[in-house]
Amino acid sequence: GESVGLHLPTLSVQEGDNSIINCAYSNSASDYFIWYKQESGKGPQFIIDIRSNMDKRQGQRVTVLLNKTVKHLSLQIAATQPGDSAVYFCAENAGFQKLVFGTGTRLLVSP
Amino acid sequence: DTGVSQDPRHKITKRGQNVTFRCDPISEHNRLYWYRQTLGQGPEFLTYFQNEAQLEKSRLLSDRFSAERPKGSFSTLEIQRTEQGDSAMYLCASSLLALGGTTGELFFGEGSRLTVL
Repeated sequence: GESVGLHLPTLSVQEGDNSIINCAYSNSASDYFIWYKQESGKGPQFIIDIRSNMDKRQGQRVTVLLNKTVKHLSLQIAATQPGDSAVYFCAENAGFQKLVFGTGTRLLVSP
Repeated sequence: DTGVSQDPRHKITKRGQNVTFRCDPISEHNRLYWYRQTLGQGPEFLTYFQNEAQLEKSRLLSDRFSAERPKGSFSTLEIQRTEQGDSAMYLCASSLLALGGTTGELFFGEGSRLTVL
């Protein structure tokens, strides 16, 4: 069945470091992937997305990499800031924007 | 603030009671989604509407759950005879399916947290 999972539940980094959050997915037919950030008590917030015809996409301080061969996604955050502390989810589009989310990785940024 | 409003933000109820949540999507958005999120987990899809039509329902949506979007604007999610296992955050999201078929970003509300005692 469809599933999206994350390798690490918690990632602790120092302010200014680069962060890498990984995600594995199982549905090889998925063609659209999204990373969300969720702060405590708030709904998920869109960060960046990527379609399956791409292997890399860059935003402001964030980069998403897609490796379809091993069904792996990663989110890279450059120069991590305390405000980046949150839970990060990857999600795949199972059709009609019905998203399948992973369990999340908590990013803790120390000053 | 994403523009998607949910009410109430918190609801505490006793087992067996009925509860109703309301979602007001971004006004021009024609697609509306309900998700459920339990502690430490990612959101799980429940159902979605395109305009007033409910197009898909998850197996998670038992017969105690009903969702409506009567005029294609706001939506309600009702849970009848609540059980402790219904305790979760209920998230609403909306997006715009354009005439050309392209779909815009999915915007989530802040959620309605349900606690069933």
